[in-house]
Amino acid sequence: GAVVSQHPSWVICKSGTSVKIECRSLDFQATTMFWYRQFPKQSLMLMATSNEGSKATYEQGVEKDKFLINHASLTLSTLTVTSAHPEDSSFYICSERGLGSGYTFGSGTRLTVV
Amino acid sequence: QKEVEQNSGPLSVPEGAIASLNCTYSDRGSQSFFWYRQYSGKSPELIMFIYSNGDKEDGRFTAQLNKASQYVSLLIRDSQPSDSATYLCAVNPGTYKYIFGTGTRLKVLA
Repeated sequence: GAVVSQHPSWVICKSGTSVKIECRSLDFQATTMFWYRQFPKQSLMLMATSNEGSKATYEQGVEKDKFLINHASLTLSTLTVTSAHPEDSSFYICSERGLGSGYTFGSGTRLTVV
Repeated sequence: QKEVEQNSGPLSVPEGAIASLNCTYSDRGSQSFFWYRQYSGKSPELIMFIYSNGDKEDGRFTAQLNKASQYVSLLIRDSQPSDSATYLCAVNPGTYKYIFGTGTRLKVLA
């Protein structure tokens, strides 16, 4: 199955700074990657769909100027949380649709904004 | 609003017992159904997927789908303490997006 590498696995940043999260597809050329956010004891919520070579598609209620997504190549998608605030603290997970059924998730990034 | 409902639990079962996890979904046109296991602090990993009505078995896991009742379940036989995790049900309503339930926390007691 597909393998997705995500890093960093955890990051602590100060309020007002920006954080970049990277997601790499290691064995599959992913034209589409999905970015999810998960708050404690809640479900995965799709934030945006990242498309290689074009603009990302954001879900309703997700600020595209705050969560910048870049998918410059078939193997790399990045999510940048700009001007982070404590309420952005969450678990961010990328995923791609592999060759088989079901999506493959990255290992996730625990973001804590202090 | 398309929804996927799961009991949050925790569901506690003794080691060796059968754990039964349930999920209902609202979109009757949903085509594929997935069960993911998520350990605390980790990302979800796919356990099983099912497309057709009936049962699908893989080792100790059995997925059951009843489209008429809009119901999908996961049975775990011979439950082990290592099965303790949150189990997420995901439904594909026919688009590229998945809709996830909030998950059921399973505790297998040694």
